[in-house]
Amino acid sequence: AQKITQTQPGMFVQEKEAVTLDCTYDTSDPSYGLFWYKQPSSGEMIFLIYQGSYDQQNATEGRYSLNFQKARKSANLVISASQLGDSAMYFCAMLSNAGGTSYGKLTFGQGTILTVHP
Amino acid sequence: DGGITQSPKYLFRKEGQNVTLSCEQNLNHDAMYWYRQDPGQGLRLIYYSQIVNDFQKGDIAEGYSVSREKKESFPLTVTSAQKNPTAFYLCASSIAGGANQETQYFGPGTRLLVL
Repeated sequence: AQKITQTQPGMFVQEKEAVTLDCTYDTSDPSYGLFWYKQPSSGEMIFLIYQGSYDQQNATEGRYSLNFQKARKSANLVISASQLGDSAMYFCAMLSNAGGTSYGKLTFGQGTILTVHP
Repeated sequence: DGGITQSPKYLFRKEGQNVTLSCEQNLNHDAMYWYRQDPGQGLRLIYYSQIVNDFQKGDIAEGYSVSREKKESFPLTVTSAQKNPTAFYLCASSIAGGANQETQYFGPGTRLLVL
């Protein structure tokens, strides 16, 4: 079974500082994708960054980077130079062709609420 | 602008009533999905569709039904059989729905409340 664990219910960071949001995953599939989404109070899920299981380098997208440690099954999100607008819920998710089915099932963690202080 | 629209933003359901949530996309994506989110929780898959006139149950399909008559549209009906329908419903789409690198893009969501 696929599982995503986010152990930090809430995180606080000072504006302009960096913050790391933790994510560990469990899957028996050799091929999978890892995603991070941001959910502001409005509710919409905003795609941030993607990491494939066979990617050799860590993914980066602007101020977002993904610290991918395959052996430890972790995919932590690093946000550099935090801004007030970064305050939101953040979800880690995994996409895999679970058990050989023909679609990619996106499995979500419980989320981490990030609060950026001025 | 390409994107996913959901309507209504808020929906109220009376006991025993069926209600339908709308989801439309103009991204030319083949695959569409419905997720349910309960307070403080992650998302759970209700139904998905990879192609017109075909759809499959997700993890929590009981009490829900869908149709996919057009590529752009994937409406979700919450039936009276769904005993705890109060939740936030999110629709998503992706290019084809079969690869592990396919990003799913989400609509703004519909909040369903039971009166």
